[in-house]
Amino acid sequence: EVQLVESGGGLVQPGGSLRLSCAASGFTFSSYWMSWVRQAPGKGLEWVANIKQDGSEKYYVDSVKGRFTISRDNAKNSLYLQMNSLRAEDTAVYYCARDVAGRGYWGQGTLVTVSS
Amino acid sequence: QSALTQPASVSGSPGQSITISCTGTSSDVGSYNLVSWYQQHPGKAPKLMIYEGSKRPSGVSNRFSGSKSGNTASLTISGLQAEDEADYYCCSYAGSNVVFGGGTKLTVL
Repeated sequence: EVQLVESGGGLVQPGGSLRLSCAASGFTFSSYWMSWVRQAPGKGLEWVANIKQDGSEKYYVDSVKGRFTISRDNAKNSLYLQMNSLRAEDTAVYYCARDVAGRGYWGQGTLVTVSS
Repeated sequence: QSALTQPASVSGSPGQSITISCTGTSSDVGSYNLVSWYQQHPGKAPKLMIYEGSKRPSGVSNRFSGSKSGNTASLTISGLQAEDEADYYCCSYAGSNVVFGGGTKLTVL
């Protein structure tokens, strides 16, 4: 059974940093593109970033370019999102996902709140 | 990276059928057969209902079906039931990135 478990969310001040983690199990992690998707309170889903199987390609939504970095450790079956220079508008539930535009599998999400 | 266009809301009575449209461009919906549909109930994670345009994951009712024509994908729910009331999002591969629709709130009257 495919499982994705996010962690690392919490309350952070504007301008601060946070690192999200996603532990994957139940499939060959190194064989799949992985993504982060977020949902601000009361808003729709927004794709944030994705990363190729070997980490050689990474893509981001314009609003996070230069501030967020997606990475992975295939030996640990883990996906990460380093978030720097956080803004109030980054407040959202962040989901780790596999094949988000295909046979999608998602975690339950972790809440990031950016507030002073 | 423009969002796909969905109606903000649709409604129907139990037993009826409804269709939710999802309009993109030749750079996303029109170019790839990688359109998926998600159902989301309040406070819950999105649930995959349709993938690759028209395929249903195991466990999803056959009352849900998907199709695509040109730059527009559609989700049809037949025999509406109370538990179908939720938000629905379309999603498309767009080359190097992924784009979502703005979401459609389905109300079962």
